[in-house]
Amino acid sequence: DAKTTQPTSMDCAEGRAANLPCNHSTISGNEYVYWYRQIHSQGPQYIIHGLKNNETNEMASLIITEDRKSSTLILPHATLRDTAVYYCIVPQNRNTPLVFGKGTRLSVIA
Amino acid sequence: KAGVTQTPRYLIKTRGQQVTLSCSPISGHRSVSWYQQTPGQGLQFLFEYFSETQRNKGNFPGRFSGRQFSNSRSEMNVSTLELGDSALYLCASSSVGQGTDTQYFGPGTRLTVL
Repeated sequence: DAKTTQPTSMDCAEGRAANLPCNHSTISGNEYVYWYRQIHSQGPQYIIHGLKNNETNEMASLIITEDRKSSTLILPHATLRDTAVYYCIVPQNRNTPLVFGKGTRLSVIA
Repeated sequence: KAGVTQTPRYLIKTRGQQVTLSCSPISGHRSVSWYQQTPGQGLQFLFEYFSETQRNKGNFPGRFSGRQFSNSRSEMNVSTLELGDSALYLCASSSVGQGTDTQYFGPGTRLTVL
């Protein structure tokens, strides 16, 4: 998997947008960027993934830079339930397992 | 559609014992992967099963084993338990693969070894 770099922790005020950055400067042309999150003591949860274009679903938006070397996960209106560890992963293909780094611990504050 | 289920949710064992954990994937999913999560090592891949065959294996000792049944349900077994095996064991299911095939995780089994 391409190596990813994320900040260790971030805080966000409830109701504000949470912007979580990820650097993946060694990503190759056909590799996707995946985001998962893990709420305390639960299993990780898939959020979103993208290749080149920006993506949006009911949970979040994913903005990928034009050179694809970095991306930002956006939670538009963070709630206390969004407090979790967020993992940015660039899987090599469907034959290799996910490699979880340390992720970003997002704390949403009331 | 029901999610991934894991049983039991909590387990306490003593050193030297063995343990079997169970995972039922989402209906129609054929790939089941297992992960170990500890505070020190984070989430680490154990193995993946597809159509009753182990396709991929992480860097764990042979005390860790698994199997998959024809209905895609999977079990993992840890023999001769050590204190360091205390962890949250997670299974994930997907349609056909890992990585770029979206993984759906269960709630995990928390194993405590005394």
